[in-house]
Amino acid sequence: AQSVTQPDIHITVSEGASLELRCNYSYGATPYLFWYVQSPGQGLQLLLKYFSGDTLVQGIKGFEAEFKRSQSSFNLRKPSVHWSDAAEYFCAWAGSYQLTFGKGTKLSVIP
Amino acid sequence: DAGITQSPRHKVTETGTPVTLRCHQTENHRYMYWYRQDPGHGLRLIHYSYGVKDTDKGEVSDGYSVSRSKTEDFLLTLESATSSQTSVYFCAISDERDSGYTFGSGTRLTVV
Repeated sequence: AQSVTQPDIHITVSEGASLELRCNYSYGATPYLFWYVQSPGQGLQLLLKYFSGDTLVQGIKGFEAEFKRSQSSFNLRKPSVHWSDAAEYFCAWAGSYQLTFGKGTKLSVIP
Repeated sequence: DAGITQSPRHKVTETGTPVTLRCHQTENHRYMYWYRQDPGHGLRLIHYSYGVKDTDKGEVSDGYSVSRSKTEDFLLTLESATSSQTSVYFCAISDERDSGYTFGSGTRLTVV
């Protein structure tokens, strides 16, 4: 079955350090892929999406993601993390009529 | 988020009682979704709608029903609430089948 996997449940980084959150997908064709962020007690906000074309996608809040077909990956990156980036991040895959989400990666930021 | 509201935001109910959660949108989007979020499970799809009176089941639909009599409203009903349905429920909307969703702020439901 098609799915997305986020291998890391919890990641801690220092403020100012770089960040990479991993996402792997299982799907034969080129998938539609998304990254969402959820702050505590809030709904989910779309960071970026990939449909086709350029494999490096720019999003909001300084985030980017790179689609790598050979590795079945869509990893989220940010060059310098801010304390306000502490949140939970979800990768998602768009199938027929629905998004299927990974289980999320919680990001903690050390001052 | 602007354009999508969920009500109530919080609810405590007793086991065996019926509960209805409401999702209202002002974006005129065709697609509407109900997800539940639980620790360790991420978000799981309960039901979705692809038009007025057109709905279908998601991954975890047992114990839930939905209705969509108008474009702007999508109701989720727990016919007889159980403790396993204690969760945070999110509504989402989209204008195209494979586009990104806009999420509501969620409803925290506790069944005691």
